[in-house]
Amino acid sequence: EIVLTQSPATLSSSPGERVTLSCRASQSVISYLAWYQQKPGQAPRLLIYDASNRATGIPARFSGSGSGTDFTLTISGLEPEDFAVYYCQHRNHWPLTFGGGTKVEIK
Amino acid sequence: EVQLLESGGGLVQPGGALRLSCAASGFTFSSYAMGWVRQAPGKGLEWVSHISESGGSASHADSVKGRFTTSRDNSNNTLYLQMNSLRAEDTAVYYCARSSSWYFQHWGQGTLVTVSS
Repeated sequence: EIVLTQSPATLSSSPGERVTLSCRASQSVISYLAWYQQKPGQAPRLLIYDASNRATGIPARFSGSGSGTDFTLTISGLEPEDFAVYYCQHRNHWPLTFGGGTKVEIK
Repeated sequence: EVQLLESGGGLVQPGGALRLSCAASGFTFSSYAMGWVRQAPGKGLEWVSHISESGGSASHADSVKGRFTTSRDNSNNTLYLQMNSLRAEDTAVYYCARSSSWYFQHWGQGTLVTVSS
């Protein structure tokens, strides 16, 4: 099983700032990694797939990069609605696994 | 508009069984693989299962293998999760989701399953 480790667990930031979230895989997932956003009481929303492709309707301030074992999600200019929990997920082989999440909170 | 509506959650005793349903609309159900993902209270996301478009192939997480079965009825646009031998650690919100290349592109709002005596 591939373990995805997200860091930091919590990130405190202010609106307008640029933030970078990390997801590290225990073995290579090539570029088969996605990022999701989840707000309290809501279902997750797909943001990025295959490491760097934005899903339909996702604003350009969200970008993903990386390959192999190290991936990042960057939010360029935090908007108030971006304060949420972010998860990564791989699809390289069974079982699919998610990271433990990074909470982006208002400083 | 893609809509996924889960039902069937509730309170069940340890060792009991429950069947979740997910009614799909707004897309050609039989053209998409589907999955279940759960989230224990205050915890992260955990993949549960994934089923192919035809229903001929399904994969399950080790934590539920042998206890949970995923199936689908393409004539009625419905996804199912049969859960047997339930344990306290199965307590979670269960989401159904439409899969796109094994990523989860669209999600339902979830149904809560509580396993407790």
